[in-house]
Amino acid sequence: EAGVAQSPRYKIIEKRQSVAFWCNPISGHATLYWYQQILGQGPKLLIQFQNNGVVDDSQLPKDRFSAERLKGVDSTLKIQPAKLEDSAVYLCASSLGLNTQYFGPGTRLTVL
Amino acid sequence: GQQVMQIPQYQHVQEGEDFTTYCNSSTTLSNIQWYKQRPGGHPVFLIQLVKSGEVKKQKRLTFQFGEAKKNSSLHITATQTTDVGTYFCAAFSGGYNKLIFGAGTRLAVHP
Repeated sequence: EAGVAQSPRYKIIEKRQSVAFWCNPISGHATLYWYQQILGQGPKLLIQFQNNGVVDDSQLPKDRFSAERLKGVDSTLKIQPAKLEDSAVYLCASSLGLNTQYFGPGTRLTVL
Repeated sequence: GQQVMQIPQYQHVQEGEDFTTYCNSSTTLSNIQWYKQRPGGHPVFLIQLVKSGEVKKQKRLTFQFGEAKKNSSLHITATQTTDVGTYFCAAFSGGYNKLIFGAGTRLAVHP
C-alpha cells in the first residue's frame, strides 16, 4: 500500500514570496491533516479535513495560510506571503476515520 | 487548551542502557499515542493506550498509561543504535481525532 505522498520535499524562498505544498493521502483515507513542525518541537495541527470539508482550522494563520481539498482526495497548503517564522517542516497525514494517523515525508521550507 | 508535557527533552545513553521518557497532562486523557521520528524523517505511529493502568509491550519497548489517565511513559530496555530518534506522545483534544503532540524526547545512543 502506498503511503502519504508530498511534494516538493524541499523549498527555499524569500520572505514575502508565496509557496504551495501538495499532499496525496493514502487511498481511501477520508481524513487529511496538515501539521507544522518547527525545529525541536512537536507537530502542530494547522488544519484538518474530513473528505473535502474543514473540521478544524483553529490554529491556521488565516491571514497568510490557506488550504483546500477539492474532491476530497489531494490537498494543497499555501502560504502567501511567507514570513521568516514560517520556516519549518510541513507534514501531511491521513487516517481512516478517527484512527491512526499516517504521516508523509514532509516538505522542509526555508524562508530567507 | 489541552497540553501534554514531555520530559526529558534530551537523553544521551550508551548502547545497552535503558531509557525512559515521560508524558504528563493536567487533565484526564481519553487515550494517548506514541510516535517515533528518526532524524530527518517523519513521525511513525508506535502504539495507542486507552485503558487506565494499561501496559503494552513491543519487543524492548514498554508503554504504560497511568491509573488516573494523566500520564504515560515509554521505556526502552537495552537501547540499540537503531532506537535513535525523537519520541513523541500525543493526546486527543476534543472531537474529530485532533492530536496534540508533546515537544518530544530526543534519544541519542552511543555505541
